[in-house]
Amino acid sequence: DAGVIQSPRHEVTEMGQEVTLRCKPISGHDYLFWYRQTMMRGLELLIYFNNNVPIDDSGMPEDRFSAKMPNASFSTLKIQPSEPRDSAVYFCASKVAITSETQYFGPGTRLLVL
Amino acid sequence: DQQVKQNSPSLSVQEGRISILNCDYTNSMFDYFLWYKKYPAEGPTFLISISSIKDKNEDGRFTVFLNKSAKHLSLHIVPSQPGDSAVYFCAASLMNRDDKIIFGKGTRLHILP
Repeated sequence: DAGVIQSPRHEVTEMGQEVTLRCKPISGHDYLFWYRQTMMRGLELLIYFNNNVPIDDSGMPEDRFSAKMPNASFSTLKIQPSEPRDSAVYFCASKVAITSETQYFGPGTRLLVL
Repeated sequence: DQQVKQNSPSLSVQEGRISILNCDYTNSMFDYFLWYKKYPAEGPTFLISISSIKDKNEDGRFTVFLNKSAKHLSLHIVPSQPGDSAVYFCAASLMNRDDKIIFGKGTRLHILP
């Protein structure tokens, strides 16, 4: 299995631009999570989906952030417009529908907003 | 207000000695705890977990201890090896009630030669 796939691995953009991060979860996994890692806040959950339906988006920082999961094999996290404080590493993770099972993380997308 | 706290941003340990990473939590409802390990430019990977019905779980060189009354858990690595140098995240969840995992900020472990 290829694991969780994220693209791009690195993104440099200018303030005000739209940024789209992509994730392909492990096949057969029912849950998909988006996280953001920063020095100040550590690893924080932004939103998660179960069977393509958003379950909890309470971690999404503000309306500039949106996430979609149009099908079981693809999800996007969009920031529009981007700001320098959005600079972070964004991780996608997936897992099967057993609560005790572990989440499998992708390699992350390192975002730098200038 | 962090529900899972790792108060040591970094830790340096001599190769071959014991590494002890600490974690505190505030929500007494948490009943499942995990440790993840992260290398640079990679995503976190699951290392070891413990249910709140236990106070110890061991897997090879890694042992996690849980003290529910103190709301404290620790990860022991014995003996420490160079490949253990990484960031370690403590995490907690409400097993069977919530699919979210709450992570701490992480502790960077340096294993010294």
